Amino acid sequence: AQSVTQLGSHVSVSEGALVLLRCNYSSSVPPYLFWYVQYPNQGLQLLLKYTTGATLVKGINGFEAEFKKSETSFHLTKPSAHMSDAAEYFCAVTAPFGKGGGNKLTFGTGTQLKVEL
Amino acid sequence: EAQVTQNPRYLITVTGKKLTVTCSQNMNHEYMSWYRQDPGLGLRQIYYSMNVEVTDKGDVPEGYKVSRKEKRNFPLILESPSPNQTSLYFCASSYLGGAQETQYFGPGTRLLVL
Repeated sequence: AQSVTQLGSHVSVSEGALVLLRCNYSSSVPPYLFWYVQYPNQGLQLLLKYTTGATLVKGINGFEAEFKKSETSFHLTKPSAHMSDAAEYFCAVTAPFGKGGGNKLTFGTGTQLKVEL
Repeated sequence: EAQVTQNPRYLITVTGKKLTVTCSQNMNHEYMSWYRQDPGLGLRQIYYSMNVEVTDKGDVPEGYKVSRKEKRNFPLILESPSPNQTSLYFCASSYLGGAQETQYFGPGTRLLVL
């Protein structure tokens, strides 16, 4: 079984500051990891994902995340926050041959990012 | 434009009145799924479908039904809604349902059951 823990339900940063959203996972098999973003009144949009290969993954809008197996982490970062980054961010995990079809996403509880001037 | 559409976007109903939320995708995806989103709980899978006429339960299927008669459509049915089904519902789809695939989400349906 898989699970995801997102530390901090609310994170506030200043515009131009580093964004760091934390995600730790638990999985009995090598996981696939995803970050999705949800803007107000919209569906979820994929930011980036790790499946295999390079552990540093770059996504859209300047975000990146690093898969660290030893720390069971997949933290999301962006060097410089912009007002348009204000949204809710979800970390999620799947695993090959998992319950719910291979594509069942197990989500964390989300982190609301606020960007202040 | 490739997309997942849901209707209605907003719905207020009363306990026990059957309702259907429609979901349609135009990407020829095999896999479709329903999630509900609740504050502090993230998104949880209700049902999924690997292909036409193939559906199975997710983590929170109680009180819901689904059908997959056509590849593009995957309606969610609440035969006797209750207040604890008040939630934000998302339909999602992906190409074949592989664990590494990106899922594409609809815009959501906000349901209030009185």
